Parts: sequence; C-alpha cells; structure tokens
Amino acid sequence: QKEVEQDPGPLSVPEGAIVSLNCTYSNSAFQYFMWYRQYSRKGPELLMYTYSSGNKEDGRFTAQVDKSSKYISLFIRDSQPSDSATYLCAMSAGSGGGADGLTFGKGTHLIIQP
Amino acid sequence: NAGVTQTPKFRILKIGQSMTLQCAQDMNHNYMYWYRQDPGMGLKLIYYSVGAGITDKGEVPNGYNVSRSTTEDFPLRLELAAPSQTSVYFCASSYSLGHLSYNEQFFGPGTRLTVL
Repeated sequence: QKEVEQDPGPLSVPEGAIVSLNCTYSNSAFQYFMWYRQYSRKGPELLMYTYSSGNKEDGRFTAQVDKSSKYISLFIRDSQPSDSATYLCAMSAGSGGGADGLTFGKGTHLIIQP
Repeated sequence: NAGVTQTPKFRILKIGQSMTLQCAQDMNHNYMYWYRQDPGMGLKLIYYSVGAGITDKGEVPNGYNVSRSTTEDFPLRLELAAPSQTSVYFCASSYSLGHLSYNEQFFGPGTRLTVL
C-alpha cells in the first residue's frame, strides 16, 4: 500500500460547482497536511496547510483533516476556470523540513468548464 | 526577489552523459531540496540540505549527487544518465527553525530532462 493515495482524475466540473478533492494516507506519524496547486509546466505552489485534525478556510478554499480516518479533503467553492490545474496533497511527519521532506500524492487533474 | 530559479528549463541527454542541474534561491532560506516528478506521479525527494556544507539523501538518491557550498545554491549532478532519469526536476527551499513551526517549501519552475 502506498503512503499517500490520490485519485489522478481528470475531474471535470462546470463553472460555479463545488469541488471536492481527497487523499488517504497510511502513515499515522503525519502531522502537517498541505495542498499544492500546479499549473501545467510550472512548479507547485502552496494553497493551504493544516496541522493535525480540523478545518481551515481561506476564501473559496476549505481544507479538512480527519486523522482518525487518515483522510484529508480540499473543497473549492464557486469554482472558476482559473482553478483548472493539478492539485497535489502533501504530508509531513515533522515541520516539513529535514529528513521528513514532503510525501506527495500523485495529484488530481481538475478541469473547470466555462 | 526572484525566489527559486532553475536552469536549464529543458535538456536532452544521451545515455551515459553527465550534467548538472542548477538551483539558486535569494530568500536566505537554510533548507533546500531536490524532487523529481515522473508523469502521473507525485514528487519524490532525491536529496536535501539543511545548510551550507550539509546534505543528506532522500527517498530516491541513486544516480545523483549534490553539493552545497553556499546558502544560495544547490546543484544536482547526474553522472551517468539513464533513461530512468527522464523526469521533471524541481528544486525547493524553505526557512526552517527545525521542528518548532511549519515552514513552507517554495518551488522553482522545474527542469524537464529527457535521456535517450
């Protein structure tokens, strides 16, 4: 079983829809959970991070972590064509530096249809 | 600030050739990383450095070498290129206080390498 599982998609939804992206993981030592957005032929950029379980909201984006189920989610409200990108979940047992590095999911390719 | 810069953007190598991928950051970050991203896969850590003169292996270090003589630069060396090293390589940096707090990793634009 891989450490982080993420459905690669593609996931295609109409503009304005609510999008739900998810990852599951097996390593109970993970404490920091991140979502990165990656546009085609660009480097990943951090959208949000969450420490331990709980919810975090930033504008149209909400991140949820359920450590008991080893399941994290990213919700995008009022989705826009500019949200079309690959979304990568990433996790770390420590603060994200050093030997921990980041463990990434494969990424979900999201397409928002105008 | 330019952030994290990588050169070259693209490169085609023949099997057995060598090359160095360059990475530089101007944010005075102490931690730097090299990842590779294969098609349809997540990023995998190759090497990382916690400061000048200190490097360590990540998940997939075989076939690569690194050095860090300055805070700003973290080059990745491929000695004998193999087709399995065809990938997109990303350099990243962060400022870390160790395990006291979360530190965001900032990524460069990547180098696309093809080994034929």
